[in-house]
Amino acid sequence: GQQLNQSPQSMFIQEGEDVSMNCTSSSIFNTWLWYKQDPGEGPVLLIALYKAGELTSNGRLTAQFGITRKDSFLNISASIPSDVGIYFCAGQNQGAQKLVFGQGTRLTINP
Amino acid sequence: GAGVSQSPSNKVTEKGKDVELRCDPISGHTALYWYRQSLGQGLEFLIYFQGNSAPDKSGLPSDRFSAERTGGSVSTLTIQRTQQEDSAVYLCASSRTHANTGELFFGEGSRLTVL
Repeated sequence: GQQLNQSPQSMFIQEGEDVSMNCTSSSIFNTWLWYKQDPGEGPVLLIALYKAGELTSNGRLTAQFGITRKDSFLNISASIPSDVGIYFCAGQNQGAQKLVFGQGTRLTINP
Repeated sequence: GAGVSQSPSNKVTEKGKDVELRCDPISGHTALYWYRQSLGQGLEFLIYFQGNSAPDKSGLPSDRFSAERTGGSVSTLTIQRTQQEDSAVYLCASSRTHANTGELFFGEGSRLTVL
């Protein structure tokens, strides 16, 4: 089946630093999404991308839908303690309901 | 309630026992999904419901796993003859099908530990 590869698997950064993570797929998706999971909770949608090449921002978050439709990246600027958590990329095929998720990037921030 | 509700939040069982996990989706959401999250792993799709029917159950790992949904609302995931490798967090999510924005609303999950 389709698989998404996220990198890095984990990140340890200082507060205030910028963060970059990405996701690649062996097949194309029509929608790319980024979710965040806080400890003990379910994932929550951060950004959704619907068009190849699209660049979207949500506050300090910026994400792009790769032109090949096989990749996406997420950037976080000026990290703060509440950014700690696991970030998942997800892909959705046209007409499909389910999402295919990556393995996640665990972000840890040192104050 | 306002969000997706799952119960129990934690379940410890012995190998070989059956377990039932319950999901109460957001009112009015016709689509319901079950995912499994193993330690350090991503979210593994199990099954998707549209109303009471399951057009996609391709992710169920074996015939020990089954799920049903009644009244277009509450869903139950049943695992028979549990094995240690079934230990994971089982996440339920719901969505408004016609929006099809990719936004799933997740519950907090049911953590299953099989001894």
